[in-house]
Amino acid sequence: KAGVTQTPRYLIKTRGQQVTLSCSPISGHRSVSWYQQTPGQGLQFLFEYFSETQRNKGNFPGRFSGRQFSNSRSEMNVSTLELGDSALYLCASSLGVSGEQYFGPGTRLTVT
Amino acid sequence: GQQLNQSPQSMFIQEGEDVSMNCTSSSIFNTWLWYKQDPGEGPVLLIALYKAGELTSNGRLTAQFGITRKDSFLNISASIPSDVGIYFCAGQARLHGSGNTGKLIFGQGTTLQVKP
Repeated sequence: KAGVTQTPRYLIKTRGQQVTLSCSPISGHRSVSWYQQTPGQGLQFLFEYFSETQRNKGNFPGRFSGRQFSNSRSEMNVSTLELGDSALYLCASSLGVSGEQYFGPGTRLTVT
Repeated sequence: GQQLNQSPQSMFIQEGEDVSMNCTSSSIFNTWLWYKQDPGEGPVLLIALYKAGELTSNGRLTAQFGITRKDSFLNISASIPSDVGIYFCAGQARLHGSGNTGKLIFGQGTTLQVKP
């Protein structure tokens, strides 16, 4: 069974631009969560989706948004990029709302 | 953001030695997960714990869900060079009055280096 896939793997953007990251969960998994990983803050929860509904949101500004499609694939969007948004963005999928989460390889976003 | 207290921050050990690391929290969790992350990759799930007091093994790895539900421990026996990496604990709680959540709260990580 294929694992969680994320595209693109690497991205370089300029301040003020916006970016969309994509995540395809493990087949059959209906829940997708997103995390931001930085050296200073570690792994921080962004949001989680289950059956196209956002169930929970982390403490991030409104510039961070996401959605989930009927096939469980998910996207997250960051608008008006800031230098501090440079991070590894990780997507994780799970069968149900809670329980084991399996991570993708991440998207490395660099904002210049 | 909210984080668990994970210790030690780093360890440099000799191949063949046993390793112990732990996580503590001021909050109760329903689930404890342990992950390993290699450079440039996403975290890989090692062990999942669902019940207070539960002790679970995965090869040379053993993890325990603390009785108070506020802590967890990971032991690695007879370490080998490929154990090198960053180990994270993660706790999963319950939303107040809304059932379970998938939100994971992570420790700061333990960096393990193994000398052959």
